Amino acid sequence: SQTIHQWPATLVQPVGSPLSLECTVEGTSNPNLYWYRQAAGRGLQLLFYSVGIGQISSEVPQNLSASRPQDRQFILSSKKLLLSDSGFYLCAWSEGRPTNEKLFFGSGTQLSVL
Amino acid sequence: AQSVTQLDSHVSVSEGTPVLLRCNYSSSYSPSLFWYVQHPNKGLQLLLKYTSAATLVKGINGFEAEFKKSETSFHLTKPSAHMSDAAEYFCVVSPGDSSYKLIFGSGTRLLVRP
Repeated sequence: SQTIHQWPATLVQPVGSPLSLECTVEGTSNPNLYWYRQAAGRGLQLLFYSVGIGQISSEVPQNLSASRPQDRQFILSSKKLLLSDSGFYLCAWSEGRPTNEKLFFGSGTQLSVL
Repeated sequence: AQSVTQLDSHVSVSEGTPVLLRCNYSSSYSPSLFWYVQHPNKGLQLLLKYTSAATLVKGINGFEAEFKKSETSFHLTKPSAHMSDAAEYFCVVSPGDSSYKLIFGSGTRLLVRP
């Protein structure tokens, strides 16, 4: 069966420090991968998605970047964190487009930038 | 432009009573609509989806939703609430243009009183 792993679960970082969040999927090949951010009291905002190795689409201009160095690995990064980067970050995958196939979510990373 | 509005940020019910979580959408296309559930500190899980087949959609854990085009609504219901239903629920619409992006509502937190 397919599983998705996301770590760390919580992270407290000072403003200006770098960030690296990692997500891996097991039990499937060539998944579509997604990074979402959930701000307190708000819905999810799609940050990046990837349909293949090295292919990254950005939905929102921002301080963050994403990379997909391997088929089932998706990394969210920042060179210098801002206070506004705080939030709950969720990695997800789907076999096809999310309009047709359901999204499977990781358990999330709570990021606090202080 | 596509959008989704969840009319209640919080809903509180007693165990064993009916649940109604309201959602209205706006879409230029024939939309695909979803309900996802998020338990505390967890990722999201698909409850059900509507993709232009039957207007009454049955999901997991006894939930169902009815697509009403004339009212642009997709309300989520359950006849009898269980303590384990306490969670945050997200109504989601797809742009309908083969996009990878889903539009999430701001969420409704369901509280179930014993």
